[in-house]
Amino acid sequence: DTEVTQTPKHLVMGMTNKKSLKCEQHMGHRAMYWYKQKAKKPPELMFVYSYEKLSINESVPSRFSPECPNSSLLNLHLHALQPEDSALYLCASSQTAQGNEKLFFGSGTQLSVL
Amino acid sequence: LAKTTQPISMDSYEGQEVNITCSHNNIATNDYITWYQQFPSQGPRFIIQGYKTKVTNEVASLFIPADRKSSTLSLPRVSLSDTAVYYCLVALYNTDKLIFGTGTRLQVFP
Repeated sequence: DTEVTQTPKHLVMGMTNKKSLKCEQHMGHRAMYWYKQKAKKPPELMFVYSYEKLSINESVPSRFSPECPNSSLLNLHLHALQPEDSALYLCASSQTAQGNEKLFFGSGTQLSVL
Repeated sequence: LAKTTQPISMDSYEGQEVNITCSHNNIATNDYITWYQQFPSQGPRFIIQGYKTKVTNEVASLFIPADRKSSTLSLPRVSLSDTAVYYCLVALYNTDKLIFGTGTRLQVFP
């Protein structure tokens, strides 16, 4: 199994809603990542978890709250988002958190904030 | 972290060889060069990775000159399905901060 599974595939939420994005992998990877991608732009790194500990937060606003319950799961909790947060949210994993590791990406969650 | 520069877009025709060059002038000694492919509404997919000289796999080749300040992704005999965005990443082997450059949008015509 070389898949990273993200749910839901599409999400529409209002600015006062609370929602969560989920990511799962069963490759035994110990590093997991959240990226945000706007249309026609490259993915932007948001968070990195290494061995279930948050190792990088790229100055992401607190309305985005990551969680890594175990080595296979990664969540992104969303609260009080703004319309400009509408984007494709990508989850990725790698064997370990090293620069020469291959990243495996999910298909993403397309988020629209109204 | 080494910054990368790629052409914004390239056009090709089916059956041609496509070479996409990435500049990374301030690459460090321990940095690796990795290329990803991304189709619309999908996550990027690993294509190839190298440190120096030439690397080849079943889908592409990666050429890295001795000074390592640039690299070239070579796609042999492209097809319509190779239409995608191609990203070059340069990252230190012991960092978990993998930053994507602007990417090259390849359009393949019949």
